[in-house]
Amino acid sequence: NAGVTQTPKFQVLKTGQSMTLQCAQDMNHEYMSWYRQDPGMGLRLIHYSVGAGITDQGEVPNGYNVSRSTTEDFPLRLLSAAPSQTSVYFCASGPYSNQPQHFGDGTRLSIL
Amino acid sequence: QQPVQSPQAVILREGEDAVINCSSSKALYSVHWYRQKHGEAPVFLMILLKGGEQKGHDKISASFNEKKQQSSLYLTASQLSYSGTYFCGTDQTGANNLFFGTGTRLTVIP
Repeated sequence: NAGVTQTPKFQVLKTGQSMTLQCAQDMNHEYMSWYRQDPGMGLRLIHYSVGAGITDQGEVPNGYNVSRSTTEDFPLRLLSAAPSQTSVYFCASGPYSNQPQHFGDGTRLSIL
Repeated sequence: QQPVQSPQAVILREGEDAVINCSSSKALYSVHWYRQKHGEAPVFLMILLKGGEQKGHDKISASFNEKKQQSSLYLTASQLSYSGTYFCGTDQTGANNLFFGTGTRLTVIP
């Protein structure tokens, strides 16, 4: 019963560093997405994918890259970390449209 | 494009009822409701599709007024376990890309 697995759970970076947040799901879901959650802002969509090899931008994509080489994995890359990217990042997956999304436990990222 | 939720916060005693509202200025394909407890991931509650349907799950139900682009979440006979922040997510295209409101913090006290 792994569901959606995110690693790491916590990370501290210095400004300008790059890193990859990992997301894996074992439910064979076609749809995967990344959200960031800031205090008082709710969840905002960064990037999403409707299947392997297909990705697209969400509401706040700047500073982030994604790729989807397999159905299971959907990593999020921060190219050059900035303090404004301090946030909690959630990965989610779902079978197809109008179906529930299942969220991972989140990655808490601090950028100094 | 972010929906507006109201109220921002509510405190209930066990057994009381609450209504949380979600309103969008855009035409919606569906409305999704999630509950998030502090430090945890959002957990799915229900989806309302356009067509004005109403759904129920135990003592939590919801409605979707397609003409007004409004959805309401009804919590009846609240329990301590209902405490958390409730988010509505709106889908404008049917592609599952959600715009979330800023949440309603619900606290149930004994």
